[in-house]
Formats: sequence, C-alpha cells, structure tokens
Amino acid sequence: GENVEQHPSTLSVQEGDSAVIKCTYSDSASNYFPWYKQELGKGPQLIIDIRSNVGEKKDQRIAVTLNKTAKHFSLHITETQPEDSAVYFCAASQHQAGTALIFGKGTTLSVSS
Amino acid sequence: DAEITQSPRHKITETGRQVTLACHQTWNHNNMFWYRQDLGHGLRLIHYSYGVQDTNKGEVSDGYSVSRSNTEDLPLTLESAASSQTSVYFCASSTALNTEAFFGQGTRLTVV
Repeated sequence: GENVEQHPSTLSVQEGDSAVIKCTYSDSASNYFPWYKQELGKGPQLIIDIRSNVGEKKDQRIAVTLNKTAKHFSLHITETQPEDSAVYFCAASQHQAGTALIFGKGTTLSVSS
Repeated sequence: DAEITQSPRHKITETGRQVTLACHQTWNHNNMFWYRQDLGHGLRLIHYSYGVQDTNKGEVSDGYSVSRSNTEDLPLTLESAASSQTSVYFCASSTALNTEAFFGQGTRLTVV
C-alpha cells in the first residue's frame, strides 16, 4: 500500500519568512495530493491540493509543487504570519483504485512575531 | 448549513468494554472515513465506506468495526477497548474520490 513520508516534523520561522514542507510517496499510481491544516482542537481542513497532471499550483501565499518522477511534493508558504501556526499534513491517494487518503505524520509549524 | 458531527467529544471507558463512536454528516456524501490521530503517527486510516452497505479496512483496522446502513452515518465500534486504542478519532466525508474531505471535530477516547 501507499506510504507517505513528511519532513520536517517541526518547523520554526520568523514572521515574514518562507516555510517549506516536503513529502514523498511510495506508490507511483497515486495521483491526488492534498494538504491539510489542523489548528489546535479542530479537525484538519484542506488548504490546497494538486493532481498528477499539474506540476505546480498557487493560491495566494500558498503553493504546492509536484515531481512525479521523484515521487515527491512540497508545500510552500510565503510571508508567513502567526496565524499560519498549526499542524500541516500531506496526503496521497489513487483515484482509479478508489483508495482513501493516506497521510504523512504531520509538521508542526510555529511562526513567531 | 450542512456539516459533519461526531459524538461524544470526549469519552472515558474501561478496558474490555465495547464502545461506539458516532459520525453523522448532512451533505449526502457517499464517502466516509475514520482516522485516529496519535502523537508521532499523524492520521492513520481505520475504516472507510464508499456507500451504503460498503465497508473497507484501512491501515489499522484490527479491533475496530464499522457498518453503513444509511448515507448519513458511519459509526465506529471498538469491540473490546484496549489501552492502545486511547487516541483522538476523526471522521471525514467527501462527495467523490480525490476531492476535498471534510473532517469532524474529533472524539477524544481514553481507555483506562
């Protein structure tokens, strides 16, 4: 089955800096890669996703890149703000096989002002 | 507004007892999922369902069961609770594969 590795497990940045979180996946058939943000005491929420026919996707300060050959994808947050502090999860799934999302172990991002 | 709700939010139970965690969604989503979240392990898939009468095992299904008798509900049952099942449990739903999954607020279960 699919295995998703996520790094780093913790990340501390100064407000205004950029943050990058990286994930690798094992199953080359995976074709959907979402990122979720989890704030304290809440369930995860989707912030951005990318499909295998796209190499990069942006939404304001957030961008995701995908390298299918290397089987890795990354989340980039620019101009970080204190409210970006949260746990971020990457995930992967295969549409054709009807598999559910398999998540990485998460990255705790702390943005200090 | 449509939503996904989990109950109870917190529960303490004794080892060996059967426990059922409820998950109810009002979006009419076909797909529903149960995950557990533990420090150092992230979110791990327990069971999932793609429609009424459909259930599938996830990564960590031992000791858990689900049933899907209608579209709105996917209850998770711990047959005989163990201390290793102390965790935060999240239910999620989605309208289709490879689309946004909406998560509930979670149930914190403690087995003593």
